Order: sequence, then C-alpha cells, then structure tokens
Amino acid sequence: DQQVKQNSPSLSVQEGRISILNCDYTNSMFDYFLWYKKYPAEGPTFLISISSIKDKNEDGRFTVFLNKSAKHLSLHIVPSQPGDSAVYFCAVQDNTDKLIFGTGTRLQVFP
Amino acid sequence: GAGVSQSPRYKVAKRGQDVALRCDPISGHVSLFWYQQALGQGPEFLTYFQNEAQLDKSGLPSDRFFAERPEGSVSTLKIQRTQQEDSAVYLCASTYSGTYNEQFFGPGTRLTVL
Repeated sequence: DQQVKQNSPSLSVQEGRISILNCDYTNSMFDYFLWYKKYPAEGPTFLISISSIKDKNEDGRFTVFLNKSAKHLSLHIVPSQPGDSAVYFCAVQDNTDKLIFGTGTRLQVFP
Repeated sequence: GAGVSQSPRYKVAKRGQDVALRCDPISGHVSLFWYQQALGQGPEFLTYFQNEAQLDKSGLPSDRFFAERPEGSVSTLKIQRTQQEDSAVYLCASTYSGTYNEQFFGPGTRLTVL
C-alpha cells in the first residue's frame, strides 16, 4: 500500500507560468516533508522542505504548502523556467530517518 | 566540496553473479542510506547506517542483499546470486544527521541483470 502518492505522472507548463505539483500521504505521523528534483542519469537533488509545524515555506521561486488535515503537500514554482524541466519527487520522513518517496511527476516547461 | 560519489556508474551482470556497489559519502556525514529505484518508480529505502552501525535494514528485499560500512565512511552494497528483478538504479545518500535533514544523493549505479 503506497504511503505517498503523486497522482499526476506528468505536467506540461508554459515558461513564465506557475507549475503546481501535488502529493498526498496517508500517515498523520509523518512530520517532515521534502521535494527533490531529478535530472536523467543524476541522483535526486534536494529542493525544499517543510516541517509539520508549518503550513508554508518559501525559497525564491519555490514554495511548498502543507495541509495536514487533508494530508496534502504541494510545490509551486513561479515563474517556471525551461531549466525546471525534470522529474519531481515528494518525500516524507518519520522518526525512523528514512525517506519514503512518491512515484514522481515529470514536469516539462516549454517556451 | 565533493558530493556523494558511487561506483561503478553502470554494471551489467549475468544472472547468478555477485556484484558489489560502492558509495563514498560526503566527508563528515554520519548517516548513510541506500535506496533502490526501479524504472518509473520513486526510490525505495533499503538500509541505513549511523557511522559503522547498521541501524535499519528493514528494506533489504532478501538475504542476498548485504551492506556494510566498516569504518563509518565508505559503504558497500553487495548482491549475491543476482536475479533479473534486481535490475534497478541503486542510490546512496548521506547526511550529517539522519532526522529532519536533507539527504544528499549520489548519481546512482544502474544495475542490469541479464
């Protein structure tokens, strides 16, 4: 049973517009949430994180929102750039330290 | 500074062969993780070390998988008698401390078992 779900396998957005990537989780005990970005033939690269005591964290063009009651996490990228084209994974962490990843969303930003 | 490195980057093995995958974490990082990523999936946890102690090996899929980190730095993931279902990218990650810290990933080793 998948604990972290990214229901959109792909997303296509025009350059300059907002990209919204979504993630749902099942266990309310998760207390730290992260987004990773992955280019082909490279390992995942950390993007942004949020702890369960917050509902928003912003870093430049990237903002993560956490809705604990809905067990929902989203990543907003604005404005989107062609270099943002990659696979985005959300991940959750509990007190066992390991990360549990979603299946990823492939974002394509076109000119 | 240098990031996490893994070797080899690509490995082709015949079914039944043993393989060894190496991970060099970022210097000073206490925690080291191994993940397995199948095609089209997210990475899945295999095992976790804090220094030389293997604290969690709950994700290892069978007793053919074995990991070690004898001096608390370099780690090796060994797979004995490889099977086709072992084909995946094996990712190593390290962090200064395990909890509530970003994990830094290496580029992975792509294992193909024929």
